[in-house]
Amino acid sequence: EVQLVQSGAEVKKPGESLKISCTASGYQFSGYWIAWVRQMPGQGLEWMGRFFPSNSQTQYSPAFQGQVTLSADNSINTAYLQWSALKASDTAMYYCARLSGICPNNVCSISTHWFDPWGQGTQVTVSS
Amino acid sequence: SVLTQPPSASGTPGQRVTISCSGSSSNIGSSNVYWYQQYPGMAPRLLIYMNDRRPSGIPDRFSGSKSGASASLAISGLRSEDEADYYCATWDDSLKVFGGGTKVTVL
Repeated sequence: EVQLVQSGAEVKKPGESLKISCTASGYQFSGYWIAWVRQMPGQGLEWMGRFFPSNSQTQYSPAFQGQVTLSADNSINTAYLQWSALKASDTAMYYCARLSGICPNNVCSISTHWFDPWGQGTQVTVSS
Repeated sequence: SVLTQPPSASGTPGQRVTISCSGSSSNIGSSNVYWYQQYPGMAPRLLIYMNDRRPSGIPDRFSGSKSGASASLAISGLRSEDEADYYCATWDDSLKVFGGGTKVTVL
């Protein structure tokens, strides 16, 4: 079974650093993009970016560029989302998800890829 | 949100409910549409992929369609367990974009 398990809830103070994790099992970790999605309290889903463990290729949403860093450790099948200096506005639930998809006629396009499965989420609370 | 969804929709058990998702030529108009279902306090899950395909385990009461720069999700034979938030999503120049979500209430 393909599964993503995220690290536990975090409570931090503004200005502190944080690294949360997403550990994959049931598939070849390095061969699939991992995406991160933010959900602020009572709000919708926002795509933050994606990371390809095989070659560390990274793409950030413009809204999150420079605000967070995506990385991974292939030796332990784990992807990371980190902040160097948290703000109160970073308080949210964060989800990781694997990019799954198909390549019709052996042509791979991002358009034929989707988020499945998802991790259970990591609640990050930033408060003084 | 880049994609526009109605904030809420409702119906009685057994009814058909439709949720719209409006975008533009740069996103829905040139990419596939995906739908995700999210129960309160739970992670989202894939409901529809590539406009109208259902993953295994998703009941055929759920159907998706796309026309031009718009898409829709239909839930037929509405059931109490369908009460959840529903999000459309697509790609816009390799950036993932979501709709604002629609809360479905079963009356």
